[in-house]
Amino acid sequence: GAVVSQHPSRVICKSGTSVKIECRSLDFQATTMFWYRQFPKQSLMLMATSNEGSKATYEQGVEKDKFLINHASLTLSTLTVTSAHPEDSSFYICSAFHGMNTEAFFGQGTRLTVV
Amino acid sequence: SQQGEEDPQALSIQEGENATMNCSYKTSINNLQWYRQNSGRGLVHLILIRSNEREKHSGRLRVTLDTSKKSSSLLITASRAADTASYFCATDAKYQAGTALIFGKGTTLSVSS
Repeated sequence: GAVVSQHPSRVICKSGTSVKIECRSLDFQATTMFWYRQFPKQSLMLMATSNEGSKATYEQGVEKDKFLINHASLTLSTLTVTSAHPEDSSFYICSAFHGMNTEAFFGQGTRLTVV
Repeated sequence: SQQGEEDPQALSIQEGENATMNCSYKTSINNLQWYRQNSGRGLVHLILIRSNEREKHSGRLRVTLDTSKKSSSLLITASRAADTASYFCATDAKYQAGTALIFGKGTTLSVSS
């Protein structure tokens, strides 16, 4: 089946630094990818929709300047958490659909800890 | 925003018992999916049921869908300790940029041996 690979799986960074998370579709092209955030013991919240070749669409309440999304190719979307703070610590996970009306494929997720 | 609401939020059962989780959603859908997540890990896709389907089976899993009531249920039969995880329903929702999956709050299942 289709595979979505996310890297890194775990990252610890200092406050004020930026962290880049990559999401790759390994065996299919994804014009659209989705970024979710999950706090402990909570559900996944859609942060933004990443569109290849155009600007990302952010959900209400998500800061565009803090969470920079780039979708430069049909197989790669990146999420950069800029000037990270401890409250940005969370589990970030990306996904993509492989075709219409099908299951979504998820990356393994990235556990971000800001100290 | 969240589309689905699962109940119960938490469920504790003994091995061998059946576990039933329910999900309700708000808008019309093309399909509904169930996912499992082990603590701190990624998502595992369990089953997809389309809006024109009423019931679907996969191994020990049985999913029903009632579009008139905007609800779905996931039944795990003969549960095992390894089924301990959080279970989420997700529905497709039209967004400005296309269609995204919106997740319910989830049910935490604990199966004890």
